[in-house]
Order: sequence, then structure tokens, then C-alpha cells
Amino acid sequence: QVQLVESGGGVVQPGGSLRLSCAASGFTFSSYGMHWVRQAPGKGLEWVAFIRYDGSNKYYADSVKGRFTISRDNSKNTLYLQMNSLRAEDTAVYYCAKDVEYGDYPSWAFDIWGQGTMVTVSS
Amino acid sequence: QSALTQPASVSGSPGQSITISCTGTSSDVGSYNLVSWYQQHPGKAPKLMIYEVSKRPSGVSNRFSGSKSGNTASLTISGLQAEDEADYYCCSYAGRGVVFGGGTKLTVL
Repeated sequence: QVQLVESGGGVVQPGGSLRLSCAASGFTFSSYGMHWVRQAPGKGLEWVAFIRYDGSNKYYADSVKGRFTISRDNSKNTLYLQMNSLRAEDTAVYYCAKDVEYGDYPSWAFDIWGQGTMVTVSS
Repeated sequence: QSALTQPASVSGSPGQSITISCTGTSSDVGSYNLVSWYQQHPGKAPKLMIYEVSKRPSGVSNRFSGSKSGNTASLTISGLQAEDEADYYCCSYAGRGVVFGGGTKLTVL
């Protein structure tokens, strides 16, 4: 079945780094844009980043621009989020999510979500 | 990238209809027909309910409908059921990214 499974979360000190992974299965991963969305404890959803199906375009929220890098390996059906210079306010559950539409015109809507991985930034 | 504005809470009785509003600006909701809505139960991942303003994904009940007028989008749930009690988030494309609303807690009385 269509599935996304995140991994790589944990506890890290402020200023530290972490790399999240998201393994996709059950659909043609290389045809869809992918997103990362986060949710701080008890708070709402916040979009983090998007990568086009072929990796050619990437977009970021202002809050993470210059610190986070989204990437993908279509040969491994895996999405990544490299997080550097982490801050306390980055503490959240991080979800990877699949865009509804495939190809050149994403819908900027998320129809498949992973279970989420928790990132805690604390000294 | 300012958040879209949603009411913090709404409530309704079983069988009634409710509408959740989502107000943005001419830079997001008003400029693109790329508004989506998500349902989230406690401890669960969000679920897509509406995309591209009014399209329903396969498997989502037709009790859920979406619309947009100007800078405001709306989600209507008809025939309220106990299982509809959840948090609801709107989301809009805003040019090179998306912005979410702050979320609305729906209570089924």
C-alpha cells in the first residue's frame, strides 16, 4: 500500500545537526513532488520545504531557509531533510508528505503523510 | 508568509452543518485556487479532506465540501457525526511555498 515512513528524529543540542529520512513505497516516487511539514508540541501545522519530482526545484519556509536542505534519491525512493544550526523553536514532529499531483504542476496539497518523527532541540 | 486566519473553535450538534472559514490575503488565498483542508485527530497524522478549493480525494465523505470567495475559503461539513470531532487546518499556496491556518477545533455536542 501507499506508505511513507520517516526516521532519524531524536534529541540534539542547539546548534547541532540532524538528517531525517522518509522511505516511500506503493507509488511512483520519482513522479511526485514531496514536502516536509512540521508540528510543534500542542501547536498547528507549519510547512517546511518542497522538492520537485526530479529534484530540480526546491523551496523553503523563511523560518528554515539557509539552515535546512531538502533532497531526494529517486533510485532509493527516499526523501531527506538535512537540518543544521538547530534551534529550540525547531522542536516538532516532522512529517514527510506526498503532493497530490504528479509532474510539472504540483497541487501544493498533501494526500499521503508519514507517521512523523520527533525532533527535540534541547541542551 | 503570515498564517491564514481560522476561528479557534466551532461546534455543532449531530446532524447539523457547520462552516469553518479561512481568511488569507490577495497573495495567497485570493490569488490561487490551491486551497486545501486537513482533518487531524489527536496523536494522528493529518488527513487531506479537500484540495484545489473544492475537490474531494477518493474515500472522503461527500459531507465535506469546500469553496472560496475572494480572500476567504470555507470548509462545510454537513450531517455532523461524532467522528468529525477533530482539528481542521486550511492551507494555501502563496507563491514558492504554502501557508497554513492556525487550526480550528471542531466539537460535536
